[in-house]
Amino acid sequence: DIQMTQSPSSLSASLGDRVTITCRASQSIGNYLNWYQQKPGTAPRLVISLTSLLQSGVPSRYIGSGSGTDFTLTISSLQPEDFATYYCQQSYRAPLTFGGGTKVEIK
Amino acid sequence: EVQLVESGGGLVQPGRSLRLSCAASGFTFDDYTMHWVRQAPGKGLEWVASISWSSGNIAYGDSVKGRFTISRDNAKNSLFLQMSSLRPEDTALYYCAKERITGTTLNYHGMNVWGQGTTVTVSS
Repeated sequence: DIQMTQSPSSLSASLGDRVTITCRASQSIGNYLNWYQQKPGTAPRLVISLTSLLQSGVPSRYIGSGSGTDFTLTISSLQPEDFATYYCQQSYRAPLTFGGGTKVEIK
Repeated sequence: EVQLVESGGGLVQPGRSLRLSCAASGFTFDDYTMHWVRQAPGKGLEWVASISWSSGNIAYGDSVKGRFTISRDNAKNSLFLQMSSLRPEDTALYYCAKERITGTTLNYHGMNVWGQGTTVTVSS
């Protein structure tokens, strides 16, 4: 199985900060990497698919990059609605696996 | 409006069975692979199973293989998860989710629509 390791597990940041979350796969997954945002008490929301494809309605401050085993999600200027937990997920092959999550909190 | 609505969760004793349902609306259900994903209380996301549009291709997570069965009824726009030999570690919020793109086999390009989830608690 492909293991997905996210870091950090949590971070504190201020409004307007640039935030970067990393995700590492245990083997190459090409560009089959997706990012989800989850707020408390709600279902996950797909924000970026296939490494860098921004989903409809997601602000352009969300930027995904990487390939192979190393990927990043960057939020260029943190806004109040961005405080949430973010999960990466590999969709290269089953079993599909998620990272452990990164909780983005207000400093 | 594209929507997924799960039902069927509840409290069940270890070793018993439960069947979850997911009603889909607002899109052409039989064009898409569908998924079940679960989240234990206070924990992260865990993929459970996926099924292709025709039910011809199915995949399961290791922790549920042999105990859970995913199925679908395209005529009724419904997805199901039959869970048997339930264990306390199966306690979770179970989400159904829609694959982002259409495809003739199992394809994985992100899950772009999620239901609100249904809670399963396995306890004596």
